[in-house]
Parts: sequence; structure tokens; C-alpha cells
Amino acid sequence: AQTVTQSQPEMSVQEAETVTLSCTYDTSESDYYLFWYKQPPSRQMILVIRQEAYKQQNATENRFSVNFQKAAKSFSLKISDSQLGDAAMYFCASRIRMVGNEKLTFGTGTRLTIIP
Amino acid sequence: GAVVSQHPSWVICKSGTSVKIECRSLDFQATTMFWYRQFPKQSLMLMATSNEGSKATYEQGVEKDKFLINHASLTLSTLTVTSAHPEDSSFYICSAREGLGNTIYFGEGSWLTVV
Repeated sequence: AQTVTQSQPEMSVQEAETVTLSCTYDTSESDYYLFWYKQPPSRQMILVIRQEAYKQQNATENRFSVNFQKAAKSFSLKISDSQLGDAAMYFCASRIRMVGNEKLTFGTGTRLTIIP
Repeated sequence: GAVVSQHPSWVICKSGTSVKIECRSLDFQATTMFWYRQFPKQSLMLMATSNEGSKATYEQGVEKDKFLINHASLTLSTLTVTSAHPEDSSFYICSAREGLGNTIYFGEGSWLTVV
């Protein structure tokens, strides 16, 4: 079984500043994916970034990057140069890398507020 | 990019009636679709996994007779909430995997209110 824990229910950051959202996970599998999803008020789930567990290099997507610490089972998201449009719920998620078993396990989410 | 569409976006139904929510993959074939439920200010909880042409696999605690899932084609999965009650009111989200790929796309979600 997989579990995902997000210990920060809410975070806020000044516009243009940097913020880091925390996530820890637990799994008995050796091959898995980790994700950060953004859910704005529209409720549409948007994939922000993905990390394959077998890759040591941290994934980056423009202003978004992760700090993947496999031994510590930690997967934090860093948002640089925060923008007003970044305000949303952010969910950390994991899934096993196995065809036929792609279900996602989500954390409880972190609500990010951007202060103008 | 791939698009997954849900319909309806909003639905209000009377207690005791059934309501169907559709999830369509618009520009790809989805061999596997997933149905999630999200209560206000909470996370997404997987309800079931549906594979085209076979029975859905339900998560523990989800009543399969109440939440009927059908995945009759490679582009359409439906969730039917039977004999709905107010406690079934929630936000329901589907997602779809494109073929054997690793990317999963989410629909826009459907709000169900049972009165």
C-alpha cells in the first residue's frame, strides 16, 4: 500500500518570491512515479510535474522544480517567482510503475495563497 | 494535448433517483479510466478502476451496486449513482490513461447534489 502525507494544510507566499511545499510518502515498491498536481478553483486537476523514482535527477518544469530524496521518501515542490495564477490547492501523489495498476494515491493537499 | 471531458458538470437530483455521469476521452483511446470522489476541502479518493470491456475494480469500502461503472468503449466510461442519497453529494472526477502510456489526464469533474 502507498501513503502520501502533506503536512502543510495552507501556505502563503509573496508574489515573485519562492515557496516550497512538502510531501512525504511511503511505499514498498521500488519502481514508482511521484507527481504534483494543481487544482485551481475550477477544480480541474492539472499536472505540474512528474518524477520517476529511478531517476536521480530532480525534475524541473520552468518555475517548478522538485527536491526528490528517495532514501528519506521526501518529494517537495519548489515554486520560484510565484505568480497570482499559482494560487490553488496542490496535491502530491504517487503511483506504482506497473501497467494495469496506475491508480494514484493522493495526499491531503496544501492550499497555496499568493499575496500580491 | 489530450482532453478528457465529463458531463454533466453540475447535476441536482432527488433522493432515491439515479444519475449518470459520463467521462469521455476526446482525442485518444483510454483503455483504463479511474473514478475519484472528492469531498469539500478534502483529497481525491479513488473509487474504482475501469478497463474497457471488463468489470470495474472497486476500492475497499465502495459499494459496487450503488456506484455502477461501465466502460463500454475505448473513449467512454460512465458512473451511475443508483438510489442517490444526500450523503452521495460530492465532486466526482474521472481520469484516463492513454493507451499504454504513462500519462493520466483528468476530466473537469462533476458536482452532484442530491436533495
